[in-house]
Amino acid sequence: NFMLTQPHSVSESPGKTVTISCTRSSGSIASNYVQWYQQRPGSSPTTVIYEDNQRPSGVPDRFSGSIDSSSNSASLTISGLKTEDEADYYCQSYDSSTAVVFGGGTKLTVL
Amino acid sequence: QVQLVESGGGVVQPGRSLRLSCAASGFTFSSYGMHWVRQAPGKGLEWVAVISYDGSNKYYADSVKGRFTISRDNSKNTLFLQVNSLRAEDTAVYYCAKEWSGSPDSWGQGTLVTVSS
Repeated sequence: NFMLTQPHSVSESPGKTVTISCTRSSGSIASNYVQWYQQRPGSSPTTVIYEDNQRPSGVPDRFSGSIDSSSNSASLTISGLKTEDEADYYCQSYDSSTAVVFGGGTKLTVL
Repeated sequence: QVQLVESGGGVVQPGRSLRLSCAASGFTFSSYGMHWVRQAPGKGLEWVAVISYDGSNKYYADSVKGRFTISRDNSKNTLFLQVNSLRAEDTAVYYCAKEWSGSPDSWGQGTLVTVSS
């Protein structure tokens, strides 16, 4: 199995843009879709990006996802940061044996 | 709208068993794969198991293989996780999640399992 590595924490000011990375340890990042989940304190995770760059209905277009084969990583970008975006964010993908893999999570602080 | 309600958690002694349930509504349950994902206190998400829409295929994380069994009753729109030989490290909130494109999509509110003597 591969691992997905995320920064432990990031912080940025309201109104700014932040990008959270997710690097795959082996195998191509492009070989399986990447999802991103938001988990606010005390709540269940919710999907903010699926299939690399698709937004579920109800997720604002301030959230965007991408993959970069050159760095073998995926990214979640949140623009126009709001205090309500403060949460833990997890990337996720899966391998050829259908095992689901999560990144370790990134704590986003909006200060 | 998708609704998933987990139940069956509680405090259990090491080595004992529990059966977790997840009642689904708001979608055609029998058409979707389902996942269990857990989260230890203060830790990240850990995938546990997945079952195909008809129950014919099941996959497990190495950490639970041989101890946990995922199953479903499509006539009752319910997902199950039988957890046996519980260890302290199995203490976590257990979430069920509907699958989309191979991945967890919509999540329940979770049920807490605490393994302690």
